[in-house]
Order: sequence, then C-alpha cells, then structure tokens
Amino acid sequence: DTAVSQTPKYLVTQMGNDKSIKCEQNLGHDTMYWYKQDSKKFLKIMFSYNNKELIINETVPNRFSPKSPDKAHLNLHINSLELGDSAVYFCASSQEYHTQYFGPGTRLTVL
Amino acid sequence: GIQVEQSPPDLILQEGANSTLRCNFSDSVNNLQWFHQNPWGQLINLFYIPSGTKQNGRLSATTVATERYSLLYISSSQTTDSGVYFCAVGRPSNDYKLSFGAGTTVTVRA
Repeated sequence: DTAVSQTPKYLVTQMGNDKSIKCEQNLGHDTMYWYKQDSKKFLKIMFSYNNKELIINETVPNRFSPKSPDKAHLNLHINSLELGDSAVYFCASSQEYHTQYFGPGTRLTVL
Repeated sequence: GIQVEQSPPDLILQEGANSTLRCNFSDSVNNLQWFHQNPWGQLINLFYIPSGTKQNGRLSATTVATERYSLLYISSSQTTDSGVYFCAVGRPSNDYKLSFGAGTTVTVRA
C-alpha cells in the first residue's frame, strides 16, 4: 500500500509544452504539499493545501498552478515549460503541520 | 526567511562507526523534522522533533529549541544509512512551511 503516490515518475518533454503531475495520498491527512528539488538537491516548498484550501503559495512563476480536487489529491499543472523547470518534484502530506510523508518524486526533464 | 545550516556538509564513515549531524537555525521554530534521502531519491521522515529527545532504533535526535539547534545521532552505522540527511524547520507564524537545510551527505563504507 503506497501512502503517497505520484504519477508519472519520469516526464521528458519539449520547451513550451504543458504538463501535469498527479499526487494521491491514502493516509487520511488534511494537508498536502508540492516541493521542488533542484540539481544541487536543495528542497523548496512551492504550494500547500489544507482541507482543499491553499495555505502556502511561494514565489513561483504563475505558469505553475496547483489544484486540489479533494483532500486526498493534489495536482500540479505547468504551462509553457522552460529549461529551468527541470527538477524533481515531490508531493508530500501531513496531518496538520506534523510529520510529512513524501511521495517518490517526479523527475521532469525539459529539452 | 529563517536560515538553516547543517554540518558537516559531507561525512564518510566506516561501517559500525557512530556520528553526529548538526542543524542550526536562525529563529524560533515550532516545527522541526529530520529526513533521510536514500541514494534512489526516496525521502523518508526520521523524526518530528520540535523539542526534546527521541529515539528510533539506531537513530536518535535531540532538539534544544531555546539554543536553536538540533542533533541527529547515528550509531553503529550501516551501508544502508548512506544518503543525504536533511533538517527542516517551521516558524510559529507558519508551522506548515518547512525551510530545508542544504543537507549532510553521509557515505558509509563496508
């Protein structure tokens, strides 16, 4: 039973394309997150939803748009992909602000 | 924003050795978590420890919030302990937002 799952695991695409990453958690948590990990392994929060309400919206380009259809799902849509968007994107979940559980990550490569 | 400094940046251990990783932070925190990222990229939560001491098997952690640091102890290290260890903190004004340190890369040699 995978607690936090993400699809796809790998995403290779051309500049200018639009892509989505999906995340699902079966832990019953009320909070979900998107993180970006760059090539130097630095992790940075992008967005967070608590009970479907956006509570963290960091300074990211507005080409990135999160959507939370319900508490168990959080998707990330990226428009007009750029080379600098290449990274590993992690989804995570927690109950309130406690222990965060991470998904396996999606490696995005923009050519 | 809050600054999180981890030391040492790199650590090479012989199997069976003990080690201590340190995390210093620049402001009051209400949330502190330690994570291990294995060589395959998976991030595993080790501890949620905004204060006090916790132990989980060969790992233990101590956070002294008043002095703005946390320590992660690895005892009797094994090759499976290799990877990057991250400390992440959240301020009382926004407990949900974790700021990550740059990590300590640990290599355990057989």
